[in-house]
Amino acid sequence: EVQLVESGGGLVQPGGSLRLSCAASGFTLRDNWISWVRQAPGKGLEWVASLQYDVSGKYYVDSVKGRFTISSDSAKNSVSLQMNSLRAEDTAVYYCARSLFGAFDFRGQGTMVTVSS
Amino acid sequence: DIVMTQTPPSSPVTLGRPASISCRSSQSLVHSDGNTYLSWLQQRPGQPPRLLIYQISKRFSGVPDRFSGSGAGTDFTLEISRVEAEDVGIYYCMQATQFPLTFGGGTKVEIK
Repeated sequence: EVQLVESGGGLVQPGGSLRLSCAASGFTLRDNWISWVRQAPGKGLEWVASLQYDVSGKYYVDSVKGRFTISSDSAKNSVSLQMNSLRAEDTAVYYCARSLFGAFDFRGQGTMVTVSS
Repeated sequence: DIVMTQTPPSSPVTLGRPASISCRSSQSLVHSDGNTYLSWLQQRPGQPPRLLIYQISKRFSGVPDRFSGSGAGTDFTLEISRVEAEDVGIYYCMQATQFPLTFGGGTKVEIK
C-alpha cells in the first residue's frame, strides 16, 4: 500500500526553525516529484515547494524562498522540508504529496506547524 | 502567477441531484508538452485532500464514475451526477502547468 507519513511538526516561536519529514512506503521516491502543500486553519490549500527527486529540480512559492529548503534522502526514501525564520503566517497543516500525471496524490494525514510566542 | 477562480463558493444540493463546479484559470493551462495539467481534489471534513480527477477528465484510481471533469484552455468543470452524503466537503481545482502551482479557492458542497 502506498503511504506518505509526515512528521516533525510542532509549536515554535517566531524566528525559529523546524524540519519536516515525509517518509514514503509502498513505492520508491526515485523518479518522482514530491511536493509540500499547506493549509492554514480554516483556509484553502497552498503549494509550498516541489522537488524532482533524481534531477535536483527544486521550486518554491515566493513567500518561503530563502527560508525553506526541500531536500531528499534516498537512503531513507524520504523528503524533508527545512523551515527557518518561521512566521505566524506559516502556521498550517503541512502535507506532502507525490505527483502523478501532473496532479497531487495525498497519502498522509499531514503534520501541524504552529508558529506562536 | 496563474490565478484559479472557482464558482460557486458554496453549493447546497439535494441528495441524488447533480452538482457542478466551475474553475477558470487566468491563462491557458495547455503545457508545452501538449497536456493540460488541471486536476480536482476533494477534501472531506477533517480529512486530507484526495485526488479525484487529473488532466481535466481522467478519473483517479478508485474514484466513482459519478465524478466527471471537462473543459479546455481556461475553463473547466467538475460534475457530480448524483450527489451522495459522502460527497460533502470542499472541492479544489489545481493547475500544475506552470510554477508556482496554484489552487482555486474551493467550493463547499453541502446537503440541503
